Amino acid sequence: KAGVTQTPRYLIKTRGQQVTLSCSPISGHRSVSWYQQTPGQGLQFLFEYFSETQRNKGNFPGRFSGRQFSNSRSEMNVSTLELGDSALYLCASSFGLEQETQYFGPGTRLLVL
Amino acid sequence: AQSVAQPEDQVNVAEGNPLTVKCTYSVSGNPYLFWYVQYPNRGLQFLLKYITGDNLVKGSYGFEAEFNKSQTSFHLKKPSALVSDSALYFCAVRDGATNAGKSTFGDGTTLTVKP
Repeated sequence: KAGVTQTPRYLIKTRGQQVTLSCSPISGHRSVSWYQQTPGQGLQFLFEYFSETQRNKGNFPGRFSGRQFSNSRSEMNVSTLELGDSALYLCASSFGLEQETQYFGPGTRLLVL
Repeated sequence: AQSVAQPEDQVNVAEGNPLTVKCTYSVSGNPYLFWYVQYPNRGLQFLLKYITGDNLVKGSYGFEAEFNKSQTSFHLKKPSALVSDSALYFCAVRDGATNAGKSTFGDGTTLTVKP
């Protein structure tokens, strides 16, 4: 079974631009969660989608948004990029119940210059 | 609110010795606890989880963890460490009553196993 895939793997943007990251979950998984990983803040929860609905949201500004499609693929968008948005963005998928394991993709490393 | 603490930034052990990576947690409902490992420039790999039942949980690559409700701990252990176990380890918690899909992670512990 194929794992979680994320595209692109690496991205360089400049301040003020916007970016869209993509995540394809494991087949059959309906929940997709997004996390931001930085050396200073560690792993921070961004949001979670289940069956195309945002079910949970972390404490990030409105510049961070996401969506999920009917095939469970998810995208996250960051508008008006800031230097502090430089991070590894990780996507995780699961069947969606609380006790289910989340399986992570390799991440997208975003560098904002 | 849910939270996780990994009190040690770094753990160093010699190959062949037992290892322990510590984790304590706080949730308002029943805890669902997870351990992940991260190698450089990679995503997180699932090691093991505790949902309910036996307090000793066995996982991948010879790792195990013991759930202790009274001490709110979920320490990761391995009887005999390998150099290849050197990596960054994360403990995560999810509240069984709420927050489906949202895991709260500790800050991570870097494990270094020396030959």
